Amino acid sequence: AQTVTQSQPEMSVQEAETVTLSCTYDTSESDYYLFWYKQPPSRQMILVIRQEAYKQQNATENRFSVNFQKAAKSFSLKISDSQLGDAAMYFCAYRRNYGGSQGNLIFGKGTKLSVKP
Amino acid sequence: NAGVTQTPKFQVLKTGQSMTLQCAQDMNHEYMSWYRQDPGMGLRLIHYSVGAGITDQGEVPNGYNVSRSTTEDFPLRLLSAAPSQTSVYFCASSFGAGRNIQYFGAGTRLSVL
Repeated sequence: AQTVTQSQPEMSVQEAETVTLSCTYDTSESDYYLFWYKQPPSRQMILVIRQEAYKQQNATENRFSVNFQKAAKSFSLKISDSQLGDAAMYFCAYRRNYGGSQGNLIFGKGTKLSVKP
Repeated sequence: NAGVTQTPKFQVLKTGQSMTLQCAQDMNHEYMSWYRQDPGMGLRLIHYSVGAGITDQGEVPNGYNVSRSTTEDFPLRLLSAAPSQTSVYFCASSFGAGRNIQYFGAGTRLSVL
């Protein structure tokens, strides 16, 4: 069974600085997708970034980028120029590229990010 | 575009009571799922559906029931609520598997006393 591990329950960063959130996963599949979701205090789940496993190029979305290491099964999220609005719980998630039950997301336990002014 | 709509946002039940959490999406998505979120546990899959008339169990299905009579709606039923079902519940939908984005509702915070 696939698993997703986020080893940092809490992280803290100074405003305007850079922080990296870690995520590792375990799978025997070669075709899958990885996601980072943000959950602010409002509780809404918001997609931050998505990575296709077949792509070697790391995904970027403005201040958010990932370091995808397929062989190491690592998928870290880097937030540059951190802003107060980045304070949230961040979840790493895995999804196989197939239908049926494999189409569902498998989540890590989350990392709570605090941003200090 | 309303996206995924969950009702109610908050609910308090007594042990043994039953209730239905409603979920509706207006994006014509095939996939719909229910997750529960507990502190330190992330989101865990309860039940899911790959289309109208098709449902299946996820990781933590006990105590919950679902049906999918239309593409738009995917209600979650608690037949006899227990304190262990105190949690935040999320409904999500997507066009399909793989790279398709799962869109989440705003969640329902349920307390069972």
